[in-house]
Amino acid sequence: EADIYQTPRYLVIGTGKKITLECSQTMGHDKMYWYQQDPGMELHLIHYSYGVNSTEKGDLSSESTVSRIRTEHFPLTLESARPSHTSQYLCASSEYKRESKTQYFGPGTRLLVL
Amino acid sequence: AQKITQTQPGMFVQEKEAVTLDCTYDTSDPSYGLFWYKQPSSGEMIFLIYQGSYDQQNATEGRYSLNFQKARKSANLVISASQLGDSAMYFCAMRAGSGANNLFFGTGTRLTVIP
Repeated sequence: EADIYQTPRYLVIGTGKKITLECSQTMGHDKMYWYQQDPGMELHLIHYSYGVNSTEKGDLSSESTVSRIRTEHFPLTLESARPSHTSQYLCASSEYKRESKTQYFGPGTRLLVL
Repeated sequence: AQKITQTQPGMFVQEKEAVTLDCTYDTSDPSYGLFWYKQPSSGEMIFLIYQGSYDQQNATEGRYSLNFQKARKSANLVISASQLGDSAMYFCAMRAGSGANNLFFGTGTRLTVIP
């Protein structure tokens, strides 16, 4: 059973504000991911990390940034939120050595920027 | 390039009946994995089933089975004995290459189970 948490679950915020979306996992997974999903659409990878101090950009360009100071924690930051950032953000993690590399997802954060 | 195609935007099934959700994929990498996830209205992604490209047998997990046809590049999900709680979006996804970092997702199929 996956133990991956995201806060907040829902966020409504004004344009120009700085926001941080939190993601934590208690499974000791090395790899962590952030996906962006517009309503009714597929997921797109925006950031990933192999482990502590490792961060890479994903396939979809994003103005957000991430950090990985601790294995269990992978926060995503938007320095200045805009309406175009309105979306759902899903965090995931996987165990590096498992053959299937199944990714386990958190519950997501639904962001609305006014 | 990797691509996942789900051609059924929406499907309906009677409770207790079986339903097949279609998924085709495209990759030039000989090593890949195929996944199905369920996304209820609450938004979380729930892992259902996995099939590796070298697996000889179709994967099964409880009421879920994956009809893997490698030559046709299809990986359809079969849900048997549908329940009302199965109503959700279902996403097919692929990881291609042994060092791949992410999953490529299809556009999803919304399944509605009718009482």
